[in-house]
Amino acid sequence: DIQMTQSPSTLSASVGDRVTITCRASQSISNWLAWYQQKPGRAPNLLIYKASTLDSGVPSRFSGSASGTEFTLTISSLQPDDFATYYCQQYNYYPITFGQGTRLEIK
Amino acid sequence: QVQLVESGGGVVQPGRSLRLSCAASGFSFSSYGMHWVRQAPGKGLEWVAVIWYDGSNTYYTDSVKGRFTISRDNSKNTLYLQMNSLRLEDTALYYCARDKGGLSTRPGWLDPWGQGTLVTVSS
Repeated sequence: DIQMTQSPSTLSASVGDRVTITCRASQSISNWLAWYQQKPGRAPNLLIYKASTLDSGVPSRFSGSASGTEFTLTISSLQPDDFATYYCQQYNYYPITFGQGTRLEIK
Repeated sequence: QVQLVESGGGVVQPGRSLRLSCAASGFSFSSYGMHWVRQAPGKGLEWVAVIWYDGSNTYYTDSVKGRFTISRDNSKNTLYLQMNSLRLEDTALYYCARDKGGLSTRPGWLDPWGQGTLVTVSS
């Protein structure tokens, strides 16, 4: 199975900060990676697919990039609505696997 | 709008069975693969199973193989998860989600997700 190692597990930041979350795959997954945002008591919501393609309606302050087996989600200027948990997901192979999540909290 | 609504969760004793349903609306259900993903209380996301758009193929995570069965009824726009021999570790919120961009050779990303149905396995 592909292991997805996400870091950090918790990130404290302030409104207006630029933050980066990293996800590393245990082997090549090409660019078949998605990012999701999950708020407490809610279902995950797609942000980015194919490593860097923003889903419709997602604010442009979100971006994704890839370099080999390392993937990053960047939020350029944190807004109050962005404090949530973020997950990466590889979809190059079955079983689909997720990173363990990054909880983004207010500093 | 595209909507997925899960139902069928509840409290069940270890070793018993439960069937979850996911009612789809707002899109051509028979054209998409569908997944189940679960989330144990306070934990991360764990993919459970997938079924092809026409029901011709299924995959499962190892921990549920032989116990869970994913199926669909395209005439009813409904996805199912039959869960047998339930264990304490199956306690979780179960989400259904639509596959986007998947091919016969690999899965896709998941969008949208339903709101989830809670399964609690407890004696």
